[in-house]
Amino acid sequence: DADVTQTPRNRITKTGKRIMLECSQTKGHDRMYWYRQDPGLGLRLIYYSFDVKDINKGEISDGYSVSRQAQAKFSLSLESAIPNQTALYFCATSDSSLDSTYFGPGTRLLVL
Amino acid sequence: AQSVTQPDIHITVSEGASLELRCNYSYGATPYLFWYVQSPGQGLQLLLKYFSGDTLVQGIKGFEAEFKRSQSSFNLRKPSVHWSDAAEYFCAVGARFGNEKLTFGTGTRLTIIP
Repeated sequence: DADVTQTPRNRITKTGKRIMLECSQTKGHDRMYWYRQDPGLGLRLIYYSFDVKDINKGEISDGYSVSRQAQAKFSLSLESAIPNQTALYFCATSDSSLDSTYFGPGTRLLVL
Repeated sequence: AQSVTQPDIHITVSEGASLELRCNYSYGATPYLFWYVQSPGQGLQLLLKYFSGDTLVQGIKGFEAEFKRSQSSFNLRKPSVHWSDAAEYFCAVGARFGNEKLTFGTGTRLTIIP
C-alpha cells in the first residue's frame, strides 16, 4: 500500500461548488502538509499541521480550509471553488526533522 | 522567512553532456536542502538532501549536489545525462527548529536532445 494516498486523483467541478480533497498516510507522522503546484510557480504551501490540534496557514491559504480528523488524515476544502484554483494538489507527510518526507501522488483539479 | 531561487526556467542539454542546475536559498540558519524531480505526469521523487556534514551530497540516479554556505547555493550536477533525465527539477529549503516545512523553488525544466 502507498504511504500517502490522495482521493480523488482527478476532479472536475464548477465555479461556486464546495469540494474536499482527502489525504491519508500510513507513516505514523505527526506533520502533514497541503501544497498546490502551478506551472512556473513550483509548489506553494497552503496549510500544514503538526498534530491534530495544530493547524497553520501557509503562504496561500485564502479560499481554502483544512481539517485534521486524525493523525493519519488531513483534508483540504475549497468552500466555493473558482477557476484560478485549478491546479495540481499534493499532500505530504513528514517526521519532525524533515528527514523523511513523503508526497502523495497528487490530485488534479479543474474548476470550470 | 525562507525562500528559494532557481534562476533557470528551462535548460536544454545534449544526451551525454554534463548538467548543472542552479539553486540559491535564503534562510537565517543552516538549512535543510533538497532536490526533487518530477517526470511528466508524475509525482515528486527525492533525489538527494543535505542536513549537515559533508557538503558534497550524493543522490540517486547519479546526481550530486554541493552545499556552499558562502554563496547560499545548492547546485545539482550530473556528469553525463541520459534521455530519461528529462523532467522538472525542484530545489527546496526546509525550516528547522519546530517550524519544519519545505519551501520550493519555481523549478527548472530539463530537455534532453539526442
